[in-house]
Amino acid sequence: GAVVSQHPSWVICKSGTSVKIECRSLDFQATTMFWYRQFPKQSLMLMATSNEGSKATYEQGVEKDKFLINHASLTLSTLTVTSAHPEDSSFYICSATGTGSSSNYGYTFGSGTRLTVV
Amino acid sequence: GENVEQHPSTLSVQEGDSAVIKCTYSDSASNYFPWYKQELGKGPQLIIDIRSNVGEKKDQRIAVTLNKTAKHFSLHITETQPEDSAVYFCAASTYNQGGKLIFGQGTELSVKP
Repeated sequence: GAVVSQHPSWVICKSGTSVKIECRSLDFQATTMFWYRQFPKQSLMLMATSNEGSKATYEQGVEKDKFLINHASLTLSTLTVTSAHPEDSSFYICSATGTGSSSNYGYTFGSGTRLTVV
Repeated sequence: GENVEQHPSTLSVQEGDSAVIKCTYSDSASNYFPWYKQELGKGPQLIIDIRSNVGEKKDQRIAVTLNKTAKHFSLHITETQPEDSAVYFCAASTYNQGGKLIFGQGTELSVKP
């Protein structure tokens, strides 16, 4: 079945630095990628939606200059947290929909990235 | 936009009993309703889903029902086992329109041996 590989699984960074999270679709073409953020004991909150080759669409309240999303190919999307601060510490999860013999009728999730900003 | 409400937030059952989690959605255009199980530190795992042209779907001990008129859907787990303990999320989307998947608040299920 469809697989989305997300890296890194966890990262610790210093306040003020930037961190890049990658999601790769391994056996299908990810035409749309969704990025979520999840705080402890809370639900997954959609941050943005990106279609391959287009600019991402951000949800209300999400700073597009802080959370840079790139979806330049059908197999790779990245989320860069710029000038990270401790309040950005969270669990970030990507999800993809797409086409291809292995794609699901549904959303394929990555395994998540635990970001800790110190 | 879509809003999904999920209840209860916590649920404790004895091993072997049934568990039921309920969700309501607001957007009548939503046509895809998946349920996910999430274990600590991991991404959500799809356990069952239902499309709007179906009223019920079953997979072994897990079943989902959908009432489009009332805009609610439910997850039923029978013969619960301790390994069913996890957080469960419902979600809704307009999948064939490339729609966003919106999640409910989650239910922490605890199955006591």
